[in-house]
Parts: sequence; structure tokens; C-alpha cells
Amino acid sequence: AQSVTQLGSHVSVSEGALVLLRCNYSSSVPPYLFWYVQYPNQGLQLLLKYTSAATLVKGINGFEAEFKKSETSFHLTKPSAHMSDAAEYFCAVSDPWNNDMRFGAGTRLTVKP
Amino acid sequence: DTGVSQDPRHKITKRGQNVTFRCDPISEHNRLYWYRQTLGQGPEFLTYFQNEAQLEKSRLLSDRFSAERPKGSFSTLEIQRTEQGDSAMYLCASSFGTNTNSEQYFGPGTRLTVT
Repeated sequence: AQSVTQLGSHVSVSEGALVLLRCNYSSSVPPYLFWYVQYPNQGLQLLLKYTSAATLVKGINGFEAEFKKSETSFHLTKPSAHMSDAAEYFCAVSDPWNNDMRFGAGTRLTVKP
Repeated sequence: DTGVSQDPRHKITKRGQNVTFRCDPISEHNRLYWYRQTLGQGPEFLTYFQNEAQLEKSRLLSDRFSAERPKGSFSTLEIQRTEQGDSAMYLCASSFGTNTNSEQYFGPGTRLTVT
């Protein structure tokens, strides 16, 4: 069965610092991988997705993620954190044959001034 | 296009009562998903519809849970004989197409509290 593990339930960075949110996946078939962001009292919003094309995926708000098959990872990065990036981030996995997308437990990002 | 909407946003009920939630997807979206999210966890898949057909149900969806999408538009999720363990955020999402990599658009959720 597919699954994702997000390392670190809470990450705190200073404004302007690098953001790195970790996600490792498990899948017996080539996966589709997603990062979603959830702001307080709002629905989840897609940041970016990997669907077997380019391994470096660029998303909205300056975020990007790199698919590394050898490491079974799909870490999310942003070169310079902004206060507005403070939110909960979820990594998720699916594949061409499964419609039940599996989410990680989430990582809460705090940005300090 | 106002996005995915869910009603009510909050529901408090006593154990043993039945509750029903409604989800209105983005109008042209043919797929509709229900998820449950508990504190400190990511969303867990419950079920999904393609048009009016319910194509998959998670084993998390006990017999007390039933979902419908009668005309392929809005959907309802009913929980019968609620239990305290049902307290959670219930999320609805919709997408267009038949690929599992299609972007899912999420509603704000319905927070259920069972006392």
C-alpha cells in the first residue's frame, strides 16, 4: 500500500531563511506525488505535483520539490521564507490505479520575524 | 466559480444522533471525494464518486456512514448513530477528468463534534 511520511511535525524558520519540508514515500508502482498547503480556516490548496515528467517541479508561491527515486523522497523547498508561508503543509501520494490519495500527517511551518 | 462549498461549517450533536453534511463541488467537476481529518493528522480518504456513481469506499467507512451524489452534482454524507470517535473535520474535494493525478480542489470542511 502507498504511504507518505513527513519528517517533523513542526518546522520553524526565520523570515528570509531556507524552507525545507521533508517527505518520503512508499509505493510499489511509479507514484504521483503532491504537496498541499492549508491555511487556517481554509481548504487545502495544491502547491505542486509530480506526475512522472520533470523530476524538479515548480509550484506556486516560489515553492519547488524534487522527486528522487533512489531516496524515495519528495522534499519541498523555498529559498526565502515569507511570513505569509506560515501554514500546515501536507505531502500526498497516489498512482495511476488508485484513487485513494494518501496524505502524510502534515508539517506546521512557523516563520519568525 | 466560487469553489467547493460545504454546509454546515460546524455541527455539534449528541451521541446517537444522525447528521448529514452537504458538499457542492465546482460545477463542471465530475469527480467528488470525501475525506476525514482528525487533529494532528492528514486527510484520510473515505469515498469518491465519478458523476453519480460511487466507485470506491474505504474500509474506514463503516456501515453507519453513507454517501450519495444523486444527480452527479452535490453530494451528501450521512452518519447514523454518531459516536464520539466520529468527531473530526469532514472534507470534500472535487476534480475534473478521470486521471488520478488531477488536481483536487478542497472545500473548507465541516467540523463535527459529538458530545
